[in-house]
Amino acid sequence: RKEVEQDPGPFNVPEGATVAFNCTYSNSASQSFFWYRQDCRKEPKLLMSVYSSGNEDGRFTAQLNRASQYISLLIRDSKLSDSATYLCVVPDTGGFKTIFGAGTRLFVKA
Amino acid sequence: NAGVTQTPKFQVLKTGQSMTLQCAQDMNHEYMSWYRQDPGMGLRLIHYSVGAGITDQGEVPNGYNVSRSTTEDFPLRLLSAAPSQTSVYFCASRSGGRADTQYFGPGTRLTVL
Repeated sequence: RKEVEQDPGPFNVPEGATVAFNCTYSNSASQSFFWYRQDCRKEPKLLMSVYSSGNEDGRFTAQLNRASQYISLLIRDSKLSDSATYLCVVPDTGGFKTIFGAGTRLFVKA
Repeated sequence: NAGVTQTPKFQVLKTGQSMTLQCAQDMNHEYMSWYRQDPGMGLRLIHYSVGAGITDQGEVPNGYNVSRSTTEDFPLRLLSAAPSQTSVYFCASRSGGRADTQYFGPGTRLTVL
């Protein structure tokens, strides 16, 4: 099993839709989690951090399920500008390294 | 602040050539890392550093060397380029601790012929 796994998609949704991505991780000792956004041919940028059960920022909600070892990202009222690849990131227990999922591609259509 | 800068943005090498990818940050971050990104594989850690003079290997270190003589700079050296090293390379930094945000440079797109 990969350390961090994501559904690669692509997810094709219309504007205004709600879409959710899941990310599973293998290290049960992991304490913090991140979602990064990467636009085409650009560098990744932090979208959200998740330290406890979840986090919400406007239209974006991240939730953590420790028992099942997955985190999810929910995007409500999708905008064209949300089209990007969303990367799930899990630091290793030592804290020095971070493990990136392969990413989930989202296309929001007018 | 310029953040994390990388040079060059694009590079084409012939098999067997060597080169250095430059990375610099002006945020006084202790942690710096090099990743490569290939289609469908996400970012894979090549080497990382937890401070000046301290480096360690990541997931895919073979064929690459690093050094960290200053807090600001973390160059990545390709010793003898191979076509398998064709990739996009990202440098990243963070202030410290597993919970901190990583800041990425704009990337270097390398093609090895």
